[in-house]
Amino acid sequence: TQLLEQSPQFLSIQEGENLTVYCNSSSVFSSLQWYRQEPGEGPVLLVTVVTGGEVKKLKRLTFQFGDARKDSSLHITAAQPGDTGLYLCAGVRDTGNQFYFGTGTSLTVIP
Amino acid sequence: NAGVTQTPKFRVLKTGQSMTLLCAQDMNHEYMYWYRQDPGMGLRLIHYSVGEGTTAKGEVPDGYNVSRLKKQNFLLGLESAAPSQTSVYFCASSYSPRLAGASTDTQYFGPGTRLTVL
Repeated sequence: TQLLEQSPQFLSIQEGENLTVYCNSSSVFSSLQWYRQEPGEGPVLLVTVVTGGEVKKLKRLTFQFGDARKDSSLHITAAQPGDTGLYLCAGVRDTGNQFYFGTGTSLTVIP
Repeated sequence: NAGVTQTPKFRVLKTGQSMTLLCAQDMNHEYMYWYRQDPGMGLRLIHYSVGEGTTAKGEVPDGYNVSRLKKQNFLLGLESAAPSQTSVYFCASSYSPRLAGASTDTQYFGPGTRLTVL
């Protein structure tokens, strides 16, 4: 089993709709990151959250780190076709120095 | 500034053959990583390096070896390829997963190598 589980695994929505992607674990992380990956390319960092309860906004994307630092969510408002891609969360645990990636959420926004 | 580059981009191997994947970064990063990406499993860490001459095992190290003889290069080797090693391999680099306090650094990824083992 993966240390970080994401849900849903696949999401297909119409342009203009809102959506939320979840990243959950039973472990505590010192920080969590969200990446977006497009076909044929490597992941690109969107945001890093480091404090329990922290909320960060990046235009129409809102990221939240859980109070207990075990989970995170990504909310997209008024999705656009350009948001299509694979969204990955990744975290570093309080002990250790390696990243653990989530299982990924594949988002398709239909025009 | 090319960032992180990987060679080759595609490769097909027969079971039992060996090969080496090369990763190079020009950002003077200390940390380098090798991941494999399989459908429905995100990215899983194979091996990583915290500096020149050092390597460490990640989540799925079996069947792979690595070397970091130069700071800018990180090599991933498959001594005897198996069909289970069919995957997309990504290399990444960062200054460090930890900066002052609890913050983390950004990982910069290469474009990936698609490997098929028949």
